[in-house]
Amino acid sequence: NAGVTQTPKFQVLKTGQSMTLQCAQDMNHEYMSWYRQDPGMGLRLIHYSVGAGITDQGEVPNGYNVSRSTTEDFPLRLLSAAPSQTSVYFCASSYRASGIDEQFFGPGTRLTVL
Amino acid sequence: QQQVKQSPQSLIVQKGGISIINCAYENTAFDYFPWYQQFPGKGPALLIAIRPDVSEKKEGRFTISFNKSAKQFSLHIMDSQPGDSATYFCAASRTGTASKLTFGTGTRLQVTL
Repeated sequence: NAGVTQTPKFQVLKTGQSMTLQCAQDMNHEYMSWYRQDPGMGLRLIHYSVGAGITDQGEVPNGYNVSRSTTEDFPLRLLSAAPSQTSVYFCASSYRASGIDEQFFGPGTRLTVL
Repeated sequence: QQQVKQSPQSLIVQKGGISIINCAYENTAFDYFPWYQQFPGKGPALLIAIRPDVSEKKEGRFTISFNKSAKQFSLHIMDSQPGDSATYFCAASRTGTASKLTFGTGTRLQVTL
């Protein structure tokens, strides 16, 4: 199993450009989430999904869109990038087992917006 | 609003020593408290987790202590090793909402020889 994969690993955008961060998991997990990690702020939830066709907003959703057409994929779209969106983005997926709601994280995408 | 407060921000411990990281939460609906370990350039990985029905959970050199009345929990790393040098995040969520973790701000641990 590849686990949770994210592409690209690095990306530089200019203000106003759009892009999609890709996330895929091969563990048949129902739950998937996107977080951003900024220095001194930990990880903050952007959007999450509890299954195909179901998405909802997290703590910091503004400027981001998501969709979940399949169990495996959960792309994150930036419609008009802003410097405030410079961050490291992590995708995660999770399942229920023995009462432990473990989230599995991908390796991250480091995004810089100029 | 910081729902999970973590301290210290950074920690330096000698090899063989005990590392202690503390977290406090505000939302009494939280009932799942994991700790994640993150190495540079990698995604966080689950280290150990606890639920409020127990006050302590131990896995190898890692122990979570939980104080429900104080709304606090802590990670203790016994016999700290240089390989433990990483950033540690506490987190919290409600059962059944595994996709919605609320994280602390992280503690950068350095274990020196």
